[in-house]
Amino acid sequence: DGGITQSPKYLFRKEGQNVTLSCEQNLNHDAMYWYRQDPGQGLRLIYYSQIVNDFQKGDIAEGYSVSREKKESFPLTVTSAQKNPTAFYLCASSIFADGGTEAFFGQGTRLTVV
Amino acid sequence: SQQGEEDPQALSIQEGENATMNCSYKTSINNLQWYRQNSGRGLVHLILIRSNEREKHSGRLRVTLDTSKKSSSLLITASRAADTASYFCATPPSGGYQKVTFGTGTKLQVIP
Repeated sequence: DGGITQSPKYLFRKEGQNVTLSCEQNLNHDAMYWYRQDPGQGLRLIYYSQIVNDFQKGDIAEGYSVSREKKESFPLTVTSAQKNPTAFYLCASSIFADGGTEAFFGQGTRLTVV
Repeated sequence: SQQGEEDPQALSIQEGENATMNCSYKTSINNLQWYRQNSGRGLVHLILIRSNEREKHSGRLRVTLDTSKKSSSLLITASRAADTASYFCATPPSGGYQKVTFGTGTKLQVIP
């Protein structure tokens, strides 16, 4: 089955820890995205990548980092510099980054700071 | 980045009724996309309408696009309890590479 997989579904982080959220796609898509969603809010773009070994900051990149070493993988690290990381994180991919086609989303990772 | 704005923020209807929600945007677009999000899940793509199209149908969904008013509407006919979800529009701007962003959505509740 083709799709986009996020893991884990739930993640707990202690204060001062870095954590990494996984996102893998087997759709052969060039573009991948990370969004953050807070309760009752829309999606805010954290980082996006048009192609392997390239990524750009979105609207709320501070306290986050990404890598794109393989086409199918786009992990997101939430660093200790992110002061309010508790949120629902969504990864998405699309064939190209031009917005000309639909995006496919993973099922999300809910991150909680304990 | 451009963000679509959905209206109303919340909508509650009885099963079998039609539901209409709207999306407005500010700059020119390549296409407009509608997505559904069930509680605690990822977004699912519903329909994409291109800037040169005025209306598009998919099953019980009907989408219209008015580029002169920079607005779109999504109509769900004969709603079902399973349609209960949040609905988002995405409005990629036209002219080269741009990133897609999402608004706050319309939360639809269909009462059985």
